[in-house]
Amino acid sequence: EADIYQTPRYLVIGTGKKITLECSQTMGHDKMYWYQQDPGMELHLIHYSYGVNSTEKGDLSSESTVSRIRTEHFPLTLESARPSHTSQYLCASSIQDNSPLHFGNGTRLTVT
Amino acid sequence: DQQVKQNSPSLSVQEGRISILNCDYTNSMFDYFLWYKKYPAEGPTFLISISSIKDKNEDGRFTVFLNKSAKHLSLHIVPSQPGDSAVYFCAAGVGSNYKLTFGKGTLLTVNP
Repeated sequence: EADIYQTPRYLVIGTGKKITLECSQTMGHDKMYWYQQDPGMELHLIHYSYGVNSTEKGDLSSESTVSRIRTEHFPLTLESARPSHTSQYLCASSIQDNSPLHFGNGTRLTVT
Repeated sequence: DQQVKQNSPSLSVQEGRISILNCDYTNSMFDYFLWYKKYPAEGPTFLISISSIKDKNEDGRFTVFLNKSAKHLSLHIVPSQPGDSAVYFCAAGVGSNYKLTFGKGTLLTVNP
């Protein structure tokens, strides 16, 4: 079973606040991903990391930023949250390209 | 432009019968296809995959069929069980996980 953890599970925050969504995996996977999903919609890749100190933006433009200082940790930060950021954020990892993604349980963010 | 389409938002099946979930794609470059299952308040879980060099892949009760000429794939679950009730996402990629394109999902309900 995949060991990938996201905190918090739910977050309600006011406009303008800075937030960090945490994602950690204990599998030693090099590849890590952040997806964004609105209810009833597709998952969209917003960030990707090949490994430590390597990050790229995904297909869906996002005002969030990520960092990868350690293999196991891939946090996502929003400097100034807005209601348009309300969504579910899913973190995933994989051992290599072309191998299945292991997802965390997600963070449901609501910005009021 | 939706490159991966799951045209049935929901499907209801009786326990013990076959569930067939469908997925169409438009990008002929896709060569790697996956199905994920998602329970409420959890992240997606990898179910089964198929590469474009095959037209069928089987894993227990789950079989994925790929029709490249029709750009269509389907997931068959036989026999369906109540525990299979979940949202099923179809995803497609070109050679790697980096830019997987997901469908919107189909909610499967298996009635006892």
